[in-house]
Amino acid sequence: SYDLTQPPSVSVSPGQTARIPCSGDGLPSQYAYWYQQRPGQAPVLLIFKDKERPSGIPERFSGSSSGTTATLTVSGVQAEDEADYYCQSQDITSTYVIFGGGTKLTVL
Amino acid sequence: EVQLVESGGGLVQPGGSLRLSCVASGFTFRKNWMHWVRQAPGKGPVWVSRIKGDGSGVSYADSVEGRFTISRDNADNTLYLQMNSLRVEDTAVYFCARDKAGLDSWGQGTLVIVSS
Repeated sequence: SYDLTQPPSVSVSPGQTARIPCSGDGLPSQYAYWYQQRPGQAPVLLIFKDKERPSGIPERFSGSSSGTTATLTVSGVQAEDEADYYCQSQDITSTYVIFGGGTKLTVL
Repeated sequence: EVQLVESGGGLVQPGGSLRLSCVASGFTFRKNWMHWVRQAPGKGPVWVSRIKGDGSGVSYADSVEGRFTISRDNADNTLYLQMNSLRVEDTAVYFCARDKAGLDSWGQGTLVIVSS
C-alpha cells in the first residue's frame, strides 16, 4: 500500500481560488476521489475518477491529476466552502481503499 | 432517495464484541459494493472493509484483519460489520457507504466507544 499526502491547511479569501494537492505513488495508475466534510456530518463526494463531478456538486469544484499528484480546485471560494477535504484512492491491486490525511480549507 | 442507516454502536470493554448494521433503501442494494469507514474523534476517515454486491469478495484494512468480519443480506438490504477483540483504538464513528464511482452515499454513522 501507499500513503496519500495532503497539506494540513489551506487558506484563501472569498472569491479566490483554492488548490488542494494530494500526492501518492499509486496515483499514476489509480483514480483519485475527493470528499468534503463539514463538522458533525458525513463526507460528501465532490469529485470521482480524477475529474468527474457528481450531479448536484457546484461547478466551482474541479479535479485534475498528473503523475503522482491529484489536485482539487475550488474556484471563487465561498464562505460555505470552509470545511475539511479528503482525497481517496486505492492501492495498486485495487484491494484497499486509502484516504489522505485531510486538508482544512479556511476562508479568510 | 438513497438512504443508509447505521445502528449497533455503543460502549464496550476492550476485548469485547459488537455487531453494526446498515440498512439501505432507495437503490438496488445487491448491485453495489458496500464499505465501512471509521473516523476517530478529531481525525480523518479511515477505510475499514468492503464487500462485493453478491458477497463473493471482501477485503479489510490491516488494522482489523482477523478481528472484523463484513457481511451482507441482500434479501434484507442490510450490511453488517461484526467486530471482535475490540481495542481502545477502534473507538470511532463507523459509517457505511455505497460504492458507485466513489463513495457517493454515506450513512450518518454510529459511535463505537471501546473503554474500560
